[in-house]
Amino acid sequence: QTVVTQEPSFSVSPGGTVTLTCGLSSGSVSTDYYPSWYQQTPGQAPRTLIYSTNTRSSGVPDRFSGSILGNKAALTITGAQADDESDYYCVLYMGSGISVFGGGTKLTVL
Amino acid sequence: EVQLLESGGGLVQPGGSLRLSCAVSGFTFSSYAMSWVRQAPGKGLEWVSGISASGGSTYYADSVRGRFTISRDNGKKTLYLQMNSLRAEDTAVYYCAKWVVGRPFYFDYWGQGTLVTVSS
Repeated sequence: QTVVTQEPSFSVSPGGTVTLTCGLSSGSVSTDYYPSWYQQTPGQAPRTLIYSTNTRSSGVPDRFSGSILGNKAALTITGAQADDESDYYCVLYMGSGISVFGGGTKLTVL
Repeated sequence: EVQLLESGGGLVQPGGSLRLSCAVSGFTFSSYAMSWVRQAPGKGLEWVSGISASGGSTYYADSVRGRFTISRDNGKKTLYLQMNSLRAEDTAVYYCAKWVVGRPFYFDYWGQGTLVTVSS
């Protein structure tokens, strides 16, 4: 069974830049997996940030960007702010109607 | 404004059944696929099931296939998840999500979730 991997946790200083990644237990992530990224704060529903690798959802600030870095999808936050402290999830589309979430990355801004 | 409102969660015994509903507004429901995503307490998000706009195609995660059934009533603008043979590990907040399919594939709107607790 394919596992989507993410860093369990990451920290960034206010104003700093951080890149979170999304990989596969076997193989490389490409644009064909249509990677998407979601932000979730405790007790809240997820919020869509990025879809189709690098397209920002409506209303998402341009300090959030998506890309493919090497064999993984990546979410980069430039100029991190305190309210960026959240859990971040990637999703890969596996085909045949199946989507798989990564385990999520808990981002701390301090 | 797009709105998705889940209901039907609650406490159920292991082996029991429950039906979740998701009432939507603010978009043409019959034109879009929909999905259910869940989150166990303190855990990450897990895609559970999806359904095409017409309801003719359904998709399931291995963890629920054969026990859960997704359906929709386009006239009532409502998505459903029938959950049978419930297990303790099905305890989670269940979110419905509007599902964009067909290059790209992603979830663009989310409900606030409904809590399902499976316990004796």
